[in-house]
Amino acid sequence: DAGVIQSPRHEVTEMGQEVTLRCKPISGHNSLFWYRQTMMRGLELLIYFNNNVPIDDSGMPEDRFSAKMPNASFSTLKIQPSEPRDSAVYFCASSSSWDTQYFGPGTRLTVL
Amino acid sequence: AQSVTQLDSQVPVFEEAPVELRCNYSSSVSVYLFWYVQYPNQGLQLLLKYLSGSTLVKGINGFEAEFNKSQTSFHLRKPSVHISDTAEYFCAVSDFSGGYNKLIFGAGTRLAVHP
Repeated sequence: DAGVIQSPRHEVTEMGQEVTLRCKPISGHNSLFWYRQTMMRGLELLIYFNNNVPIDDSGMPEDRFSAKMPNASFSTLKIQPSEPRDSAVYFCASSSSWDTQYFGPGTRLTVL
Repeated sequence: AQSVTQLDSQVPVFEEAPVELRCNYSSSVSVYLFWYVQYPNQGLQLLLKYLSGSTLVKGINGFEAEFNKSQTSFHLRKPSVHISDTAEYFCAVSDFSGGYNKLIFGAGTRLAVHP
């Protein structure tokens, strides 16, 4: 089992550019979560999908952020346009049971 | 609303010494509690969880935690730490107000094990 796969692992971009983060959940998992980790705010849930459907997007900071899950094996988190305050580590996690989430290695985003 | 407070941002300890990482929670309903570990440049990994039953929960890598309802605490302990335990540890509580298990994480405790 390869675990949750995220790409890229590191992304450096300039303010105003579009950024797309990708996630492949563990096969068979029907829940997917996107988190953001910063020193100031800690770990925050951005959005939760169940069976490919967005259930809770109340954590998405603003309209510049969007997430999709076109099928059970792929999800994207897009920021357009990006701003320096979006610099953070973004984690994707998946689960097949309510009480355990499996996290990917994260994408470290730096917006200059 | 559910919340978690991790009382120590950093805990330095010598190798083979015991360690306790403190976590207090606030919850108005049934409590489900978790400890996750984040090794450098990696994602979070579940160490242990309390769902019900015995208040002493054993996890991976020799860690254990005790659920104390009267003190609203869920402290993490290990009797003898190794250099490899150096990592950030997060306590979390479940919030089901949205109809699913939303984890509310504490700010984290950085455990630094010194030789």
